[in-house]
Amino acid sequence: GAGVSQTPSNKVTEKGKYVELRCDPISGHTALYWYRQSLGQGPEFLIYFQGTGAADDSGLPNDRFFAVRPEGSVSTLKIQRTERGDSAVYLCASSLGDRGHGYTFGSGTRLTVV
Amino acid sequence: SQKIEQNSEALNIQEGKTATLTCNYTNYSPAYLQWYRQDPGRGPVFLLLIRENEKEKRKERLKVTFDTTLKQSLFHITASQPADSATYLCALALKAAGNKLTFGGGTRVLVKP
Repeated sequence: GAGVSQTPSNKVTEKGKYVELRCDPISGHTALYWYRQSLGQGPEFLIYFQGTGAADDSGLPNDRFFAVRPEGSVSTLKIQRTERGDSAVYLCASSLGDRGHGYTFGSGTRLTVV
Repeated sequence: SQKIEQNSEALNIQEGKTATLTCNYTNYSPAYLQWYRQDPGRGPVFLLLIRENEKEKRKERLKVTFDTTLKQSLFHITASQPADSATYLCALALKAAGNKLTFGGGTRVLVKP
């Protein structure tokens, strides 16, 4: 598609539930990134993929968070046993694989854990 | 510890003037630095990239400087317009970190007519 698509745009879930957030990157972009952003703060790195493999997952806060990109295109961020502190906007971005290119971000998924 | 600092106070500026934003960093060796614009409810939008061996980059009314000795980047919006009102984020790519960007907290700019 023309841009990075994230679904759903909003998700409200109860504490303890499992959620999946989806990201559809720009066709041909080999690098895909997940960030989360709290109100008034900059995006915080979670994980990035080069092709199908996670090149750097150092930002995942704990083992409740997991992400996959099985075919090198669409990615899913999975959060188990959600906690209220997980509430944030989850942003996905993609870029051409080599260094020195800007990211194209999606509009994000606003996750609210109640 | 590593830090990227942007002025958290909003910058209020009169239309037509030049807005100057600062991005300071400590304990980083960046390969390059990027600036993004973010509007409420939207993802950041890429504006400019400047590499460690470049001093200045321009794009239309935007100018970025990069001083690796001072560990600082300045972002200028000349002839500012109300449509420039947004939050501006700087982000560093470290030499050892592949394509990963680390973002500052952003500075909100409000251009008044």
